[in-house]
Amino acid sequence: AQSVTQLDSHVSVSEGTPVLLRCNYSSSYSPSLFWYVQHPNKGLQLLLKYTSAATLVKGINGFEAEFKKSETSFHLTKPSAHMSDAAEYFCVVSKVDSSYKLIFGSGTRLLVRP
Amino acid sequence: EAQVTQNPRYLITVTGKKLTVTCSQNMNHEYMSWYRQDPGLGLRQIYYSMNVEVTDKGDVPEGYKVSRKEKRNFPLILESPSPNQTSLYFCASSLSGTSGSTQYFGPGTRLLVL
Repeated sequence: AQSVTQLDSHVSVSEGTPVLLRCNYSSSYSPSLFWYVQHPNKGLQLLLKYTSAATLVKGINGFEAEFKKSETSFHLTKPSAHMSDAAEYFCVVSKVDSSYKLIFGSGTRLLVRP
Repeated sequence: EAQVTQNPRYLITVTGKKLTVTCSQNMNHEYMSWYRQDPGLGLRQIYYSMNVEVTDKGDVPEGYKVSRKEKRNFPLILESPSPNQTSLYFCASSLSGTSGSTQYFGPGTRLLVL
């Protein structure tokens, strides 16, 4: 069965410092993995996705994530946080059998301090 | 502009009063899905549709109905809403129902059932 665990419900960083949002997944086959961002009172926007090509995936707004099969992780990073990065971030794994759906983690709220 | 639209964006209703939340996409996507978002739980799938006239239950279908008569529209129907259906609802669509297919989300509908 597929599942995803976001290890931190809240992360607080200072502006200009690195961001690390942690995600572990469980999948019985090679998964497709996504990171989505949700700004306050907004919908969800795709940051990046991994679909078994390069293990280091670059996304929008300077974010990137590395797929590590041996660690079953897909952590999201950014070298330097900006105030506009404050939002909730969801790690997502896709499930495909007779259906297709996304399985969401519980979310990590990123706070950026000035 | 390619987008998923939902209406209404905000809705307050009373227990038992039937309501419909509309969802429309203009990207000619085959796959559409409804999710609900509750604090600490991430997003959970309610129903999905792989194509016109093909719908199936997700993880939390109780109390909801859907239909897919046209490719672009996928309305969510609450026949007899109850307070536990108070939530934030998202419609999503993707080109296909295959792993790695990016889902695009609507702006969300915030529902309060009194």
